[in-house]
Amino acid sequence: QSVLTQPPSASGPPGQRVTISCSGNSSNIGRNTVNWYQQFPGTAPKLLIYSSDLRPSGVPDRFSGSKSGTSASLAISGLQSEDEAEYFCAAWDGSLNSPVFGGGTKLTVL
Amino acid sequence: VRLQESGPGLVKPSQTLSLTCIVSGDSISSGGYYWSWIRQHPGKGLEWLGYIDDSGSTHYSPSLKSRVILSVDTSKNQFSLKLSSMTAADTAVYYCAAAVFGHYFGSGGHYYYLEHWGQGTLVPVSS
Repeated sequence: QSVLTQPPSASGPPGQRVTISCSGNSSNIGRNTVNWYQQFPGTAPKLLIYSSDLRPSGVPDRFSGSKSGTSASLAISGLQSEDEAEYFCAAWDGSLNSPVFGGGTKLTVL
Repeated sequence: VRLQESGPGLVKPSQTLSLTCIVSGDSISSGGYYWSWIRQHPGKGLEWLGYIDDSGSTHYSPSLKSRVILSVDTSKNQFSLKLSSMTAADTAVYYCAAAVFGHYFGSGGHYYYLEHWGQGTLVPVSS
């Protein structure tokens, strides 16, 4: 049981905009910034969004993050087949005094 | 920054897992990162194990702190994980990573993100 809650799956046709939600509480998302990781099968996760809405160098601006209250979202616009992967959200949890993760969302490009 | 895990391909139940993460492209002593371990059970999500900084200060997962020991060897530019009393439930892919960690003045909130990852190593636990 993950501390942060994500939908297990999401999908959309090429070119569409898809959003993935991440829900937490006042100890994690409500107080701290959120990060998103992208993982392809058999490979290590890759940092996609950090500090809720910042993109590391090299990440396309089709990917964007936002946070409001105790929830966060990852939006992918102009969906491409290469975006088919699993996406994890994460945040520091002040009560646990450790980072916590969502269970992951598998994105399918139809 | 590049990271590479090394360790045994198989661990027996009750044994201690020892993994090393070799860092290249940056000095562990640079002070910019918190050197972290994360694992992923087959087909599951991510679980944080802990981090160590360049001075050797550690911070462990509350659920695993009785079994985890992290260490750093700045002369070899590497850091290590020991996880004791291994069981089948510890079968997972183990990743090392370079994390950025800090807090925001004023709000008191924290940021912690895993900026660079190793490729991961699968550690089965079986007799």
